[in-house]
Amino acid sequence: KAGVTQTPRYLIKTRGQQVTLSCSPISGHRSVSWYQQTPGQGLQFLFEYFSETQRNKGNFPGRFSGRQFSNSRSEMNVSTLELGDSALYLCASSLATGTGPSYEQYFGPGTRLTVT
Amino acid sequence: AQSVTQLGSHVSVSEGALVLLRCNYSSSVPPYLFWYVQYPNQGLQLLLKYTSAATLVKGINGFEAEFKKSETSFHLTKPSAHMSDAAEYFCAVTASSGGSYIPTFGRGTSLIVHP
Repeated sequence: KAGVTQTPRYLIKTRGQQVTLSCSPISGHRSVSWYQQTPGQGLQFLFEYFSETQRNKGNFPGRFSGRQFSNSRSEMNVSTLELGDSALYLCASSLATGTGPSYEQYFGPGTRLTVT
Repeated sequence: AQSVTQLGSHVSVSEGALVLLRCNYSSSVPPYLFWYVQYPNQGLQLLLKYTSAATLVKGINGFEAEFKKSETSFHLTKPSAHMSDAAEYFCAVTASSGGSYIPTFGRGTSLIVHP
C-alpha cells in the first residue's frame, strides 16, 4: 500500500505571496491532519479534516487554511507569507472514523517551505 | 488540557548500550500515548502506542515503553543501541478535550549513537 505523499517536497516563496501544499493520504484513510514543524516551536497541530469537513483546528491565524476533497486528498494554503512561516509542513493520515484518540497517524515526508 | 515533556533535547549513547528516552505527560483524563521516530528528511514513523490494554508496550525495532500512571511517565527504552537508531524521537499524547482529540507532541529528543 502506498504511503502518504506530499507535493512539492521543497518550495521557496517570497514574503507576501501565497502557497498551496498538497497531501494524498493512504488509501482508505479519511482523516488528514496538518502540522508545522520548526526548530523553535517543534511540532504544532494546524488542523484536521475528515470527510471534507474540518473537524479540529489548532491555534494558527486565519492565513492558514485547508480543504479536503471527496477522494480524501487535502490541500493546505497559506496566504500573505511571512518569514516565520518557513518550516517543514507535515501531513498525516489516519483510519480514525469517529473522534477516538487511539488511532495512530501515518506521516508523509513533508514539504520544506522557505520564505525569503 | 494536555502536555508532554521530553527530558533532554539530546541523548548520547554508545553502540550496544541501553537507550532511555524520557517522556512525562499531563492529562486530566486517561491519555493515549505514542512514540514516533523521525529520520533526517523524512516524516514521523510510529514506534509504539499505549491505549490502556497493557502498561508495557512493545514496538518496532526492539523498542518498548512502560506506562506508569503514578509517575505520569511513558519512557522509551531499548536494551542495545544500534547506529541505525540515531534519529529524532517524539512522544505524543491525545486525550479528549471538549469532544475532540488534538494530539500534543513533545519537543523531541535527538538520539546520538557513538561507535
